[in-house]
Amino acid sequence: GAVVSQHPSRVICKSGTSVKIECRSLDFQATTMFWYRQFPKKSLMLMATSNEGSKATYEQGVEKDKFLINHASLTLSTLTVTSAHPEDSSFYICSARHNTGELFFGEGSRLTVL
Amino acid sequence: DAKTTQPTSMDCAEGRAANLPCNHSTISGNEYVYWYRQIHSQGPQYIIHGLKNNETNEMASLIITEDRKSSTLILPHATLRDTAVYYCIVRVAAGNQGGKLIFGQGTELSVKP
Repeated sequence: GAVVSQHPSRVICKSGTSVKIECRSLDFQATTMFWYRQFPKKSLMLMATSNEGSKATYEQGVEKDKFLINHASLTLSTLTVTSAHPEDSSFYICSARHNTGELFFGEGSRLTVL
Repeated sequence: DAKTTQPTSMDCAEGRAANLPCNHSTISGNEYVYWYRQIHSQGPQYIIHGLKNNETNEMASLIITEDRKSSTLILPHATLRDTAVYYCIVRVAAGNQGGKLIFGQGTELSVKP
């Protein structure tokens, strides 16, 4: 199947700093990517839909100024957690939509805010 | 998207078939049934999907009832590496306009020696 890669896989940062997570579709172009977050022992929660060349669409209750999403190319979407706080510590996962309609997931990025 | 209901957890003996049920009684005519699984601390992995016919691939079989209100994922010979959370999701899938995946709570499958 198609490959989606996230970087970094793990990141630790200090409270108040910003952290950028990258999601790349390695062998296909993706006009649409999705960002999820997952707390321990919980299911994945959709945060936003990232569309290449346009603004992301955020799910209800997700702060767009807190979680900045940029989809500047057909193979890269980035999620920036701004002014991170300990409650932002979570597992962040992206998925990319192939032109067949199928969705492929990255390996996830674990953020720990101290 | 239509919601699904799954048992919270199931156990299965290694080497035996694992049958994971899913109810999706409000599924729409253009919605597919998708199954993903997530092994601890990894991204979800696609397993199989179907519209109304039964489907089989190298990983699993998907049995969808005739009224499409429920389905069963079958892992024919479960191994310890199949221990994971299994998610049943209904989703519109139409090429580049395919819908987003909304995850429910899933079934935590434990395969035991």
